[in-house]
Amino acid sequence: NAGVTQTPKFQVLKTGQSMTLQCAQDMNHEYMSWYRQDPGMGLRLIHYSVGAGITDQGEVPNGYNVSRSTTEDFPLRLLSAAPSQTSVYFCASSSGQGEQFFGPGTRLTVL
Amino acid sequence: RKEVEQDPGPFNVPEGATVAFNCTYSNSASQSFFWYRQDCRKEPKLLMSVYSSGNEDGRFTAQLNRASQYISLLIRDSKLSDSATYLCVVNPLWGGKFQFGAGTQVVVTP
Repeated sequence: NAGVTQTPKFQVLKTGQSMTLQCAQDMNHEYMSWYRQDPGMGLRLIHYSVGAGITDQGEVPNGYNVSRSTTEDFPLRLLSAAPSQTSVYFCASSSGQGEQFFGPGTRLTVL
Repeated sequence: RKEVEQDPGPFNVPEGATVAFNCTYSNSASQSFFWYRQDCRKEPKLLMSVYSSGNEDGRFTAQLNRASQYISLLIRDSKLSDSATYLCVVNPLWGGKFQFGAGTQVVVTP
């Protein structure tokens, strides 16, 4: 049981490049979320999903897309990277009523 | 106004002492409450859920005050290993859209 996995752990992009951050969970959780964490800001919700085929925007969705084709996977796409997207990105899953389980994070730098 | 607010600290605590801090939330209909611990920007991990009647887990005690809309965390007999950032998390409705406070930093000193 791997829990929540994220890849890559580190990534450096140039402005304008696109990429996909991968997230997978093996706990059969319906709910999955993407957060970004910046110094002094806490975790801010980017997008979340309440089940396969269903996604919704969070607090800071601009510049990011998500899809949820399976229960297990919830990739986050950066469409055209900007320096303001330099951050640590966490993926999380939950059963909805209990705790959230987090992946180890992706540290992204946009030059 | 933020949905979930915490004193950022740091709370500097001598080893063996007691420290307590609060978190306020704005949505009176919030359903579930948690304290998470985060070390050095690693992933947050659940410390404990917070129940209406209050609950303890070893040296940690959590309380919920629905009337005043805050939760609290008390750490007794602080250990050096308790140094971390403590995140207050609120689930306003049954579902997966959790709201996070910015965290309270605790530094336990020898």
